[in-house]
Amino acid sequence: DIQLTQSPSFLSASVGDRVTITCRASQGLGRYLAWYQQKPGRAPNLLIYAASTLQSGVPSRFSGSGSGTEFTLTISSLQPEDFATYYCQQLTTYPVTFGGGTKVEIK
Amino acid sequence: EVQLVESGGGLVLPGGSLRVSCAASGFTFSNYWMHWVRQAPGKGLVWVARIDSDGAGTTYADSVKGRFTISRDNAKNTLYLQMNSLRAEDTALYYCTRSAYENDSGSRNDHWGQGTLVTVSS
Repeated sequence: DIQLTQSPSFLSASVGDRVTITCRASQGLGRYLAWYQQKPGRAPNLLIYAASTLQSGVPSRFSGSGSGTEFTLTISSLQPEDFATYYCQQLTTYPVTFGGGTKVEIK
Repeated sequence: EVQLVESGGGLVLPGGSLRVSCAASGFTFSNYWMHWVRQAPGKGLVWVARIDSDGAGTTYADSVKGRFTISRDNAKNTLYLQMNSLRAEDTALYYCTRSAYENDSGSRNDHWGQGTLVTVSS
């Protein structure tokens, strides 16, 4: 199975901060990695796919980069509505796997 | 508007069975692969199973293989997950999710339902 390791697992930040989350894969994924945001009591919401393609309707402050085994999700200026948990996911090889999540909280 | 609405969750005894459903609308259901993903209380996302667009191909997580069966009825625009021999560790919110795919961008789960809670407890 492909393991996805996210770091950090917890992040405390202020409104307006630039935030970066890393996802490392145990095997190469090419560019096929997706990022999701999940707020408490809500279903996950797709933010980015193919490492850097912004899903329709997602604000441009979100961006993704990387390939192979290392990927990053960046929020350029954290907004109050961005406090949530973020997950990376690979669907290149079954079983599909998710990272352990990064919880972004208000400092 | 794409909508996925899960139902059928509830409390079940260990060793029992349950079938959860996902009613799809707002898109051509028969054109898409579908997945089930679960989330235990306070925990992360865990993929469970997938089914291709005509139902001929399925894949399961090792943790549910042989106990769970994913299926679909394209005439009814409905996805199912039959869960047998349930264990306490199967307790989770079960999400139905659509898989979009393009050759140059791969797959992703672009729409999710709100989930149905399955609790396995005596």
